[in-house]
Amino acid sequence: NAGVMQNPRHLVRRRGQEARLRCSPMKGHSHVYWYRQLPEEGLKFMVYLQKENIIDESGMPKERFSAEFPKEGPSILRIQQVVRGDSAAYFCASSPMGQGGGYGYTFGSGTRLTVV
Amino acid sequence: EDQVTQSPEALRLQEGESSSLNCSYTVSGLRGLFWYRQDPGKGPEFLFTLYSAGEEKEKERLKATLTKKESFLHITAPKPEDSATYLCAVLLQAAGNKLTFGGGTRVLVKP
Repeated sequence: NAGVMQNPRHLVRRRGQEARLRCSPMKGHSHVYWYRQLPEEGLKFMVYLQKENIIDESGMPKERFSAEFPKEGPSILRIQQVVRGDSAAYFCASSPMGQGGGYGYTFGSGTRLTVV
Repeated sequence: EDQVTQSPEALRLQEGESSSLNCSYTVSGLRGLFWYRQDPGKGPEFLFTLYSAGEEKEKERLKATLTKKESFLHITAPKPEDSATYLCAVLLQAAGNKLTFGGGTRVLVKP
């Protein structure tokens, strides 16, 4: 069981470029969550997806950010026209279903985005 | 507004010096409280889930407890390998499957 796989681990983008972050959930997990961790801050919820559906995107910035979890393939967090303030660690987590199982999410190791 | 506050922000301990971390919350409709450990450059690693006041969970040198307004993570006789950031998070009835995290407590255990 490879766990939650995120790639790339590190990503450097110039201002105005696009960033694509990928997340493959654990085998058997159908729920994916994206969180952002700014330097010296806690984890902030961004979006919750199931296959082909966005369930809760209340934490996503209104512009430039989008997420998908297609029927086949990994979940993608896309940031268009990146700005320096987007520099952060982006974590993906997965769960087999809702939180009622009591085991919390399983997190990936994150993608560290640096905008120069 | 729902809030999760962890204290202290940082804690320096000598090996073997027991201590407690606090996670206080002002939320309504708590479904569960989670503790995670995060090492530098890595994602959070799940430790415990607590559901109701009075509940306790233990794992090696760690013990988590829950009251109606706060949770404690007790570290007994810590070792240097217990050095990490400890995060607590709450799951609310009205928030679907979204966890709300506190800011974390950075623990450094010196040999």
